[in-house]
Amino acid sequence: DAGITQSPRYKITETGRQVTLMCHQTWSHSYMFWYRQDLGHGLRLIYYSAAADITDKGEVPDGYVVSRSKTENFPLTLESATRSQTSVYFCASRTDTYEQYFGPGTRLTVT
Amino acid sequence: AQKVTQAQTEISVVEKEDVTLDCVYETRDTTYYLFWYKQPPSGELVFLIRRNSFDEQNEISGRYSWNFQKSTSSFNFTITASQVVDSAVYFCALRSNDYKLSFGAGTTVTVRA
Repeated sequence: DAGITQSPRYKITETGRQVTLMCHQTWSHSYMFWYRQDLGHGLRLIYYSAAADITDKGEVPDGYVVSRSKTENFPLTLESATRSQTSVYFCASRTDTYEQYFGPGTRLTVT
Repeated sequence: AQKVTQAQTEISVVEKEDVTLDCVYETRDTTYYLFWYKQPPSGELVFLIRRNSFDEQNEISGRYSWNFQKSTSSFNFTITASQVVDSAVYFCALRSNDYKLSFGAGTTVTVRA
């Protein structure tokens, strides 16, 4: 299917565990983004990528790692999950005219 | 620094009423882009519209219309003859001369039957 997908859609993990959230887009957009959405904070940018092998930090990068070996994939890894990382995570990709299209989100709970 | 303010936290209307969502932005850049997104109860974020800073023409799409006024740094969104399916959180966002999309806090719209 064309578009942007995220997996898993729901994840429960324990404090200290490593977890990877996957993001895949079929449009070949150069730019991709990871956001987290929390009550009271709105949407905050974690990391972004301008192209394969080019990534940079956003507003709240601490505790997260990203990679982008292929244009279509942009995984987000929580190296050692903490309760404060309980959130809804959205991946997005951007058109040449700057519209960002979002994936369906991953609801992550860290216990 | 850029900033988007959506002063209305929640709006509740009865079906068929019109509802206007306010968005005020701050940026020092002369070229920028404004967006509206909808987040229905199912949780996905849906792109609604993009507007360039050099295009102040208002836009209408079905029951949705947008009023962009550079003089007051506002990009307001009106839903005409609201329907229950319009119930959602609506976000205004701003992109200036960098990669970042800055989002407002969102306005929750509840349309009652």
